[in-house]
Formats: sequence, structure tokens, C-alpha cells
Amino acid sequence: QIQLVQSGPELKKPGESLKISCKASGYTLTDYAVQWVKQAPGKGLQYMGWINTQTGKPTYAEDFKERFVFSLETSASTAYLQINNLKNEDMATYFCARQGFIYWGQGTLVTVSS
Amino acid sequence: IQMTQSPSLLSASVGDRVTLSCKAGQNINNDLAWYQQKLGEAPKVLIYNANSLRTGIPSRFSGSGSGTDYTLTISSLQPEDVATYFCQQYNSWTTFGSGTKLEIK
Repeated sequence: QIQLVQSGPELKKPGESLKISCKASGYTLTDYAVQWVKQAPGKGLQYMGWINTQTGKPTYAEDFKERFVFSLETSASTAYLQINNLKNEDMATYFCARQGFIYWGQGTLVTVSS
Repeated sequence: IQMTQSPSLLSASVGDRVTLSCKAGQNINNDLAWYQQKLGEAPKVLIYNANSLRTGIPSRFSGSGSGTDYTLTISSLQPEDVATYFCQQYNSWTTFGSGTKLEIK
């Protein structure tokens, strides 16, 4: 069955970096784009953008053009979200989703605290 | 495109007919989906293209609307429907509404 499995929760300090993984199984990663969505605690869903899994080209929403990097490791069927220079406002659950938003990862909780 | 959902909180009784509203900032030509998110879970798509029920979703869920105004209706509320519901437009880029939290009275 089709699954997206994300890496575990992260606890980081402001200014640090992190990389969240999203491993796809049950289908070929390069057949569909991967999307990323942020959900701050108790808040709604914010679309971060997507990565073309055939070319590796990322497209970012306006709020995520700085400090955020989408990447791939196609040999491992895995997409990544890297966040650099973490800020308090980055504290959230981050979801990956397959193109079309039918299949989602379980979410990765990121806590930023000094 | 801004998506505005109302109400933000809705309390209803089991068996009630429930209506959730989503208004787009401009015409989105039925490029709208509805999601259900239960506590601690990823969102699950219920309706796409404004009124198409995803396979496997109970028929008590239905979507309607056009232009800028859309509605999700639950014909007979069940206890397992307690969740937050989000609308999403995909006509221009994609944006989500702020959600309606549905609880049982």
C-alpha cells in the first residue's frame, strides 16, 4: 500500500538547522510531486510548496523562500525538508503529501526552544 | 486566494444536519477540496472538485457550491465526525481555510 513515512520529532535551539525525511513506499517517488505543509500548534494548514521529483526543482510559497530547502534522494525514495537558522515561529508539525493530497505523511513535530 | 471558513467552532448533536461554509476571495471554478483532520492525525480528503465524494468516504458527507461560496454538509452527524474541517482551493497555487472545529453537544 502507498505510504509516506516521516522522521521523528525534533527538539532544536534557535539558530540551529534540521532536516526532515519523508520516505515513500508502494509507488515510485519520481511519478508524483511531493508537497510540504506546515501546521503551527492549534492553527490551520499552510502550504509551503512542492518539489518536482523528476527534475528535483523546488517551488516555494512566498513565506518559505528563505531558510527552507526541499530536496530528494531518489535512490532512497525519500524527500527532505531542511530548515536553516530555526526561529521560534518555525515550531510546528510539518507534513509531506503526495501530489493530489490523497496520501500524507504522519507529520513531524518540530519544537524550537532555547 | 484567501479562504474564509465559518463558523470557527460548531457544536451539534448526534443525528443533526450540519453545514460548514467556505468562501473564496475570488471565483475558484469549483477547484475546492474539503479535509477532515482528527486530533494528532494528518488531514484526510473527503470531497474534491467541490462536490465529488472520495471513494470510501461515507455518503453522509456532501459538498456543494460554485464561484466563491462552498458548503460541506454532514447529513446526520455521528460521534466519529468530531474533527476540524478545512477547505482548500487549488485554482491558483493552493491555500487552505482556517478550519471549522466540530464538536458534539
